[in-house]
Amino acid sequence: DGGITQSPKYLFRKEGQNVTLSCEQNLNHDAMYWYRQDPGQGLRLIYYSQIVNDFQKGDIAEGYSVSREKKESFPLTVTSAQKNPTAFYLCASSIVTGGDGYTFGSGTRLTVV
Amino acid sequence: GQQLNQSPQSMFIQEGEDVSMNCTSSSIFNTWLWYKQDPGEGPVLLIALYKAGELTSNGRLTAQFGITRKDSFLNISASIPSDVGIYFCAGQRLEYGNKLVFGAGTILRVKS
Repeated sequence: DGGITQSPKYLFRKEGQNVTLSCEQNLNHDAMYWYRQDPGQGLRLIYYSQIVNDFQKGDIAEGYSVSREKKESFPLTVTSAQKNPTAFYLCASSIVTGGDGYTFGSGTRLTVV
Repeated sequence: GQQLNQSPQSMFIQEGEDVSMNCTSSSIFNTWLWYKQDPGEGPVLLIALYKAGELTSNGRLTAQFGITRKDSFLNISASIPSDVGIYFCAGQRLEYGNKLVFGAGTILRVKS
């Protein structure tokens, strides 16, 4: 079955450490996205990529980095420069043209202690 | 970044009640979508609308694409406890690189 997989589901890290969240899709989608969601809040775009080896900053890119070396994979690194990293992180993918919306992963809850 | 105006922000439902929520924008969209997010999970697509005036149903859900292409609503009939969650509207258009613009969400809770 095609889908999008985020791992791990829960992640705990000490303050000051970098951490990388994984996102893999086998839907053959060109575009991939990372969103941050705080409790009871909406979705804020961190980074997106519409093609391999290219990505763009979203609305809240500071303190985050991404890479897109393969079509299937779009890992997100939360760096120590991110002031308040504890949040729920969602990855999504889509085709670039056409209005079919996004397919979301099941999310990673990051807690920094 | 741009956001859609989604209302209400939250609401309490009693089993059996009908529920309505809507989204408005100052911009037109080619596609309107409605997602539901269960606690601790990613949003799942409920309904996609592709044409102005289109009315689409999916079980107890009904959604409409506004005639002006600047709004959409979602109705849930005869609500049940598993309807609780966060509902997001989203608009999509080619001029935005097909990136979705999301509403802030409507939180549905059960009235106790």
